[in-house]
Order: sequence, then structure tokens, then C-alpha cells
Amino acid sequence: ELKVEQNPLFLSMQEGKNYTIYCNYSTTSDRLYWYRQDPGKSLESLFVLLSNGAVKQEGRLMASLDTKARLSTLHITAAVHDLSATYFCAVGGAGGTSYGKLTFGQGTILTVHP
Amino acid sequence: DSGVTQTPKHLITATGQRVTLRCSPRSGDLSVYWYQQSLDQGLQFLIHYYNGEERAKGNILERFSAQQFPDLHSELNLSSLELGDSALYFCATHPPPQTGGIGYTFGSGTRLTVV
Repeated sequence: ELKVEQNPLFLSMQEGKNYTIYCNYSTTSDRLYWYRQDPGKSLESLFVLLSNGAVKQEGRLMASLDTKARLSTLHITAAVHDLSATYFCAVGGAGGTSYGKLTFGQGTILTVHP
Repeated sequence: DSGVTQTPKHLITATGQRVTLRCSPRSGDLSVYWYQQSLDQGLQFLIHYYNGEERAKGNILERFSAQQFPDLHSELNLSSLELGDSALYFCATHPPPQTGGIGYTFGSGTRLTVV
């Protein structure tokens, strides 16, 4: 059974600092997704990582994928308050298909303080 | 607006009751996935339908059932509700693989409160 683990689960950051969220998964999979969720809201897609070595950046967020290590990272650069949210990684596309159910990590609750 | 429509947004009901949650995918999307998000279980996959057919089941209780209709909207039926069924229920869709589109799009969710 595929397991997806994130760490840390809670992250309190000062504005302007850098930090990394880690996402480990237990079995080979096709695709890795990062989502952002604000309290009580839906999941907003941040990144889709499709292959080993993939790196994507959007604003202060950068995601990477190492399929050999079964590890993805979400790096936050010079955090600002607006980045406060819960971040999920999810793995999908198992079983030789490009799509299928997503298995989510536990989520990382990020709080950025002035 | 993601284009994936879920209704109702909020639902408050008593234990033992039955409710129906509805999801309308974006035009052209054939798949509907249902997920449950609760504080203790996190985001859990419930069930997947593709073009009217059930494709995969996850941690879905026997008290829960779903279907996808010819117009591709889907309904999730929850019966004999218990306090522990209180959660956010999301549906998600994705473009047909042959279109080359990638990524899942989530609806805004239905918040179910069982009292």
C-alpha cells in the first residue's frame, strides 16, 4: 500500500526566511502533486511533477522530484504572510496508468510570522 | 471558480439521517473522484467513477454509496449518519488522458456536520 509522509507537519516561519517541506513516498509512482489549502477551502494546485529531476518554480515556491529517492521537496524562499496555509503533497498514477486515485500526505501547516 | 461544482456547500443533519452530495465535473471531464477530509483521517480517497462506471474504491464505508449519471454528474449518498462522518467532502476531476491535459481539479467541497 502506498504511503506518503510529509515533514514537518507544523512549520512556524519568520517572514523573509527560507525553509523546505519534504514529501517521501513508499512505492514507485507516476506523478507527484503539490496543493495548497486555506482553512475551510478547496485544494489549489501548485505543481505537477512528472519525471525524475523535475523542478518547477512559481513565485517564492519551488518544487523538485527525485524518483530514485522517492522524495519531493517544496522550498519556500523569503516567506511572506500570504504563504500561510496547509500544503499537501500527493502521489498518483500508480498501476501503470497516468491517472488514478491520489494518495495524500498528512499536510504541513505553515504559519508565517512578521 | 475551478469549474467543478459541488452542492450544497454546507449541510447540517442529525445522526441516523441520509444525505446526498452532488458534483458536476467540467465539460469534457469524464472522471469523478470523491475524497473525505477529516481532522483525524486527513484526505482519504473514497471512490472513482469514469464515464458512468465505478473504477476504484478506497476507504468507503458500506453506509456510503455513489453513482455517476449519463450527464456525468455524480452523487455521493451517505446514510445512517454518525457524528464521525462530519467532514469536508471533495470531488475532483481531470481531463481525459488522451487530451494531454494533466492535473486534478477539485471542487469547493461540501462541509457536512452531523449533530
